[in-house]
Amino acid sequence: DAMVIQNPRYQVTQFGKPVTLSCSQTLNHNVMYWYQQKSSQAPKLLFHYYDKDFNNEADTPDNFQSRRPNTSFCFLDIRSPGLGDAAMYLCATSRERVATEAFFGQGTRLTVV
Amino acid sequence: DAKTTQPPSMDCAEGRAANLPCNHSTISGNEYVYWYRQIHSQGPQYIIHGLKNNETNEMASLIITEDRKSSTLILPHATLRDTAVYYCIVREPGAGSYQLTFGKGTKLSVIP
Repeated sequence: DAMVIQNPRYQVTQFGKPVTLSCSQTLNHNVMYWYQQKSSQAPKLLFHYYDKDFNNEADTPDNFQSRRPNTSFCFLDIRSPGLGDAAMYLCATSRERVATEAFFGQGTRLTVV
Repeated sequence: DAKTTQPPSMDCAEGRAANLPCNHSTISGNEYVYWYRQIHSQGPQYIIHGLKNNETNEMASLIITEDRKSSTLILPHATLRDTAVYYCIVREPGAGSYQLTFGKGTKLSVIP
């Protein structure tokens, strides 16, 4: 059974049109992460939530925002997608910040046209 | 910057053991070695982790050298479904080390 669920699996958006990607978890984990993975590259952390505490990576562009309305859900908002934002976006969870194991969703592949 | 070095690719015959090396010569005393893998078009999956002792679980074995400067992930009987990119990650399980920093990984191809 899927524990970290990302919807949709594939998303096409227009250049400059805001888009939201969603992630839900059934694990009741405190920490939720968003990673960006471009083609043939390793995943790169954008930000994470520890409960309601938001932590942004220093090099994450302002174009990327996130919301976590409750423990189970987390959203990635891209305010004005550019062609360079086309990537796989991965959501992950862990019980605590120092937990040994992170659980990843299947990812949402974003195409910008 | 990733603290690990892995070969970019490896082949393994189906049914044989796959031995994936990782160099982490700058590892510090409190840092663990973690392995994740990513099958094509899926999210990364945790495999195993260790500090200094060898570890084994239902997926794999992890062999860490005595000086801890390198390690080997062993898949004892590789199957076609083990074809994936394997990431070796060094991480200290303390406050602030909340992220997994992925290096380039090793692309393992299991050949029929």
